[in-house]
Amino acid sequence: DQQVKQNSPSLSVQEGRISILNCDYTNSMFDYFLWYKKYPAEGPTFLISISSIKDKNEDGRFTVFLNKSAKHLSLHIVPSQPGDSAVYFCAAVDSNYQLIWGAGTKLIIKP
Amino acid sequence: EAGVAQSPRYKIIEKRQSVAFWCNPISGHATLYWYQQILGQGPKLLIQFQNNGVVDDSQLPKDRFSAERLKGVDSTLKIQPAKLEDSAVYLCASSPGAGAYNEQFFGPGTRLTVL
Repeated sequence: DQQVKQNSPSLSVQEGRISILNCDYTNSMFDYFLWYKKYPAEGPTFLISISSIKDKNEDGRFTVFLNKSAKHLSLHIVPSQPGDSAVYFCAAVDSNYQLIWGAGTKLIIKP
Repeated sequence: EAGVAQSPRYKIIEKRQSVAFWCNPISGHATLYWYQQILGQGPKLLIQFQNNGVVDDSQLPKDRFSAERLKGVDSTLKIQPAKLEDSAVYLCASSPGAGAYNEQFFGPGTRLTVL
């Protein structure tokens, strides 16, 4: 039973356009969410996070939106750049203060 | 600041053999995690250490997996005997504080192939 789901295994976006990566979760008790980015042959690196008391958090080109009623969050990257090509993981903090990860979405930025 | 170091980067073994992975976390980080990432899935926590004590090992298959963190710094993860389904990338991460609200810093991982 996947508690954090990223239903799009891959996404292709033109350079300069907006990339939107989606994530759904099933446990309404999750109160903190994080996005990590992973390049091939490297470990994931932290990108941005959001607490459930907020509905938006912004950091430069990256914005995360949280819709608690829909149990849905999304990561927006504007504008998309070639260096953004990577696998993006959504993760939620559970009641044991551990991360529950989605399966990831591979983002490809086309020149 | 040096990142999280892991070795080896790649390992190929036959089923029923044993294997060990090593991790050196970022200096000063009290919390260390081992994750298993199977192809096409997100990382799954195997064990969390706070200094040299175990905080959570609920998902560690203790009949074959073991881990230790000596002197609260380096850590080793061992599999004995290995099964085909253990083929995965094993990620080590560290963070300055306990709890997943703290940013975790990951090493490059060890890719294990069990034949």
